[in-house]
Amino acid sequence: KAGVTQTPRYLIKTRGQQVTLSCSPISGHRSVSWYQQTPGQGLQFLFEYFSETQRNKGNFPGRFSGRQFSNSRSEMNVSTLELGDSALYLCASSSATSSYGYTFGSGTRLTVV
Amino acid sequence: QKEVEQNSGPLSVPEGAIASLNCTYSDRGSQSFFWYRQYSGKSPELIMFIYSNGDKEDGRFTAQLNKASQYVSLLIRDSQPSDSATYLCAVEGGGNKLVFGAGTILRVKS
Repeated sequence: KAGVTQTPRYLIKTRGQQVTLSCSPISGHRSVSWYQQTPGQGLQFLFEYFSETQRNKGNFPGRFSGRQFSNSRSEMNVSTLELGDSALYLCASSSATSSYGYTFGSGTRLTVV
Repeated sequence: QKEVEQNSGPLSVPEGAIASLNCTYSDRGSQSFFWYRQYSGKSPELIMFIYSNGDKEDGRFTAQLNKASQYVSLLIRDSQPSDSATYLCAVEGGGNKLVFGAGTILRVKS
């Protein structure tokens, strides 16, 4: 059974640019969550999608957005990148709710210069 | 603001000893609790989850939950150098999300 796949693994962008990250959940999982991990803030919840609907959103500015497709694959987009957006972005999938925990992907390491 | 608190460590234990990791949480209504292990440069990996008061054992790992005192702990018996990692405590925060603590760094010395 394939795990959660995130692409790309590494990304270097310039301030002001935008970026799109992709996540393919475990087959059969319909819930996809996104987290930002930084040394100072730890793992911070960005948003969660289920059946193409955003069910919850964390306390991040509107520059951070996401979507989910009918095959449960998800993308997140960050516009007008800032240096502080440099982080490991983790996608996690679960069957329906967070009650049983998540399986995380390997993450996308974003560096903004 | 729901919070999960962990001692950042590092917690150093000799090989073969028991490592005890602790976590407290603020939301008394939380029902599900998780321990993730994260090796340097890798993503978090779920190692234990617990829903009921008491102990839950899985191999060398034991999770302990005390809802009245709002703490959850993880014991690692016969610690091995390969257990050296950051251990993240997570609590279901409602709205289909998990709230994570900052993590405890564990170092097992051979």
